[in-house]
Amino acid sequence: ELKVEQNPLFLSMQEGKNYTIYCNYSTTSDRLYWYRQDPGKSLESLFVLLSNGAVKQEGRLMASLDTKARLSTLHITAAVHDLSATYFCAADGGATNKLIFGTGTLLAVQP
Amino acid sequence: EPEVTQTPSHQVTQMGQEVILRCVPISNHLYFYWYRQILGQKVEFLVSFYNNEISEKSEIFDDQFSVERPDGSNFTLKIRSTKLEDSAMYFCASSETVGAMDTQYFGPGTRLTVL
Repeated sequence: ELKVEQNPLFLSMQEGKNYTIYCNYSTTSDRLYWYRQDPGKSLESLFVLLSNGAVKQEGRLMASLDTKARLSTLHITAAVHDLSATYFCAADGGATNKLIFGTGTLLAVQP
Repeated sequence: EPEVTQTPSHQVTQMGQEVILRCVPISNHLYFYWYRQILGQKVEFLVSFYNNEISEKSEIFDDQFSVERPDGSNFTLKIRSTKLEDSAMYFCASSETVGAMDTQYFGPGTRLTVL
């Protein structure tokens, strides 16, 4: 059974600092997703990662995938307050593309 | 930009009552999903639906739950006899295919409160 774990669960950062969120998954998965969720809101797709060594960047966020280690990272560069949200990784759970989500990382960027 | 819509945004019901949560997926999408998120917890898969039938369901999706696509646009989740533990945010999602680059797009959610 596919399980997905994230750490840390909570991350308080100062503006301008860099940090990385880690996502481990337990069995082979074809795809790895990152979503952002603002309080009381829905899930916004950030990245889809398909292959080993895949790296995608959007603004201050960069996601990477290591399928051999079953590890994805979301790197935040020079954080700004607007990035405050909960970030979820999710792995593709099989033929129907059901998503198995991690526990989420609550990111709070302090001025 | 096309989006997934859900109604109502908030539903309050008494334990034991039936509720129907409604979703309108993106129009050219073929795969539909329901997920739930209990307050403060992670998002959990409930069911996937394709070609007018359930393609996969989780342990959570027991006999009290059912899904339906009653017409060409709506996708519904019915809970026959609600329990306190059904209180959660329910998200509908859709994707065009299950191909390599396809992303699931999530609706805004329905917050279900069972009293």
